[in-house]
Amino acid sequence: GNSVTQMEGPVTLSEEAFLTINCTYTATGYPSLFWYVQYPGEGLQLLLKATKADDKGSNKGFEATYRKETTSFHLEKGSVQVSDSAVYFCALRSGNTPLVFGKGTRLSVIA
Amino acid sequence: DGGITQSPKYLFRKEGQNVTLSCEQNLNHDAMYWYRQDPGQGLRLIYYSQIVNDFQKGDIAEGYSVSREKKESFPLTVTSAQKNPTAFYLCASSIDLWRQSLGNSNQPQHFGDGTRLSIL
Repeated sequence: GNSVTQMEGPVTLSEEAFLTINCTYTATGYPSLFWYVQYPGEGLQLLLKATKADDKGSNKGFEATYRKETTSFHLEKGSVQVSDSAVYFCALRSGNTPLVFGKGTRLSVIA
Repeated sequence: DGGITQSPKYLFRKEGQNVTLSCEQNLNHDAMYWYRQDPGQGLRLIYYSQIVNDFQKGDIAEGYSVSREKKESFPLTVTSAQKNPTAFYLCASSIDLWRQSLGNSNQPQHFGDGTRLSIL
């Protein structure tokens, strides 16, 4: 079945550091890939998405590239801010199925 | 503004009681979902519904029930059979999954702000 594996957290970075959160997936067919962000006490917000191989999703300085050859969709940001502190979820959707999520990675950015 | 409303934000249940969590959306989405979130376990799918009067079990449906009498509403009942109900519950919706022949998979799900359920 479909599954998503993302790096264990928590991740703690200083402000302006470079961020990478790894995500790999297993899926049948041609899935679409998503990153969601969850701030404390809130629901999930869509951060970015990519729908086919080599697509790059980007939003708010975050980027992720759909790599079919390595079945990966790593999230990156060049310079994190304290306001980026949140839990980040990688997810996929393949065909006629609900989203499948990774377990989430908690990011803490310190000033 | 369109969106998904979950209520209440906090809910307490006594042992042996059923409780119902509300989820309403005005996005005109056909599909709706319920997830449970526990620390360190990500989101797990409880039930989902692709169309009114129809719903499917997810990965952890035992101890839960749902109904879908209206397109806008997808309430979740946590029954007394659910032995460990303390969790954060998230409702989501998306453009329909099955009416389009292609391209369904690139539609994201939109989430409400969640309901935190605790046992007294």
